[in-house]
Amino acid sequence: DAKTTQPNSMESNEEEPVHLPCNHSTISGTDYIHWYRQLPSQGPEYVIHGLTSNVNNRMASLAIAEDRKSSTLILHRATLRDAAVYYCILRPNNDMRFGAGTRLTVKP
Amino acid sequence: NAGVTQTPKFQVLKTGQSMTLQCAQDMNHEYMSWYRQDPGMGLRLIHYSVGAGITDQGEVPNGYNVSRSTTEDFPLRLLSAAPSQTSVYFCASSYQGQGSSYNSPLHFGNGTRLTVT
Repeated sequence: DAKTTQPNSMESNEEEPVHLPCNHSTISGTDYIHWYRQLPSQGPEYVIHGLTSNVNNRMASLAIAEDRKSSTLILHRATLRDAAVYYCILRPNNDMRFGAGTRLTVKP
Repeated sequence: NAGVTQTPKFQVLKTGQSMTLQCAQDMNHEYMSWYRQDPGMGLRLIHYSVGAGITDQGEVPNGYNVSRSTTEDFPLRLLSAAPSQTSVYFCASSYQGQGSSYNSPLHFGNGTRLTVT
């Protein structure tokens, strides 16, 4: 099974950019990279996904390495509401498995 | 659209009791799945389904049954509850097309918090 590795926790200051890394060295050519986040006491919510090219949406940007073995979720200006656990997962098939994610703390 | 609806929000069971966690979605999603999340942990996949009449096991299926008789509903049954099944349960759904289906994001419900004493 394709797996991902993320730091357990990261800290950021409010209104500063945040770069959340994810390693997926065993990714295969058809695996999509998905990012979700989970706010306290809520279900996970979709953030962004991509295959090969960098992606932008209203929530974040996703930068994918040229060899696709790593990716970075970029929050351009962190707010207190961005404090959450961020999950990077690969979607190779229907058996989607989440790891422990990165707990992001945003300091005012 | 209500999205993914899970009921009940909270449930307390005694060891050995059985119950069904309900999950319904109104987005006509073919793919549905169940996860459990233990305190301080990530999500673990229990079972999933790619359409009515089709189910498959995830990484922690033991002690749970599922069925998919309609596109909208994907109930999770605990046959004989054990304290180890104390957890928060999340249901998720997504489109399941051909080819590029794996770029379809998952939509999650708000969870059912289950305590087994």
